[in-house]
Amino acid sequence: DIQMTQSPSSLSASVGDRVTITCRASQSISRYLNWYQQKPGKAPKLLIYAASSFQSGVPSRFSGSGSGTDFTLTISSLQPEDFATYYCQQSYSIPITFGQGTRLEIK
Amino acid sequence: EVQLVESGGGLVQPGGSLRLSCEVSGFTFSSYWMSWVRQVPGKGLEWVAHIKQDGSEKYYVDSVKGRFTISRDNAKNSLYLQMNRLRAEDTAVYYCARRDIVVLPAYNWFDPWGQGTLVTVSS
Repeated sequence: DIQMTQSPSSLSASVGDRVTITCRASQSISRYLNWYQQKPGKAPKLLIYAASSFQSGVPSRFSGSGSGTDFTLTISSLQPEDFATYYCQQSYSIPITFGQGTRLEIK
Repeated sequence: EVQLVESGGGLVQPGGSLRLSCEVSGFTFSSYWMSWVRQVPGKGLEWVAHIKQDGSEKYYVDSVKGRFTISRDNAKNSLYLQMNRLRAEDTAVYYCARRDIVVLPAYNWFDPWGQGTLVTVSS
């Protein structure tokens, strides 16, 4: 199974900050990497697919990059509605696996 | 509007069974792979199972193989998860999700998701 490791596990930041979350795969997954945002009590929402492609309707302050084993999700200028938990997910092979999540909190 | 609505969750004793349903609308259900993903409350996400458009291919995470069965009824726009021999560690919110796939390369992702249904396995 491919292990996905996110860092940090939690992060405190302020509105307007630039934030980067990293995700590392235990083996190369090309660009088969997706990012989701989840708010408390809600279902996950797709942000980025195929490492860097935007899902329709996602604000342009979100961006993704990487390939192989190392990936990043960047939020260029945090907005109040961005405080949530973020998950990476590999879709390269079965079983599909997720990172453990990064909880983004207000400083 | 695309909608996925899960139902069927509840409290069940260890060793018991439960059948989850996911009714979809707003897209051509028979054209998509579908999936179940679960989340222990307060914890991370775990993919459970996939099913191909016509039901001819099914894949499961090892921890549920032989106990859970994913199925679908394209005439009813519905996805199912039959869960047998339930264990305490199966306690989770179960989400159904559409699996979108690009043909070449076969990038794929989950979007959208239903609101989830809670399954609690406890005596």
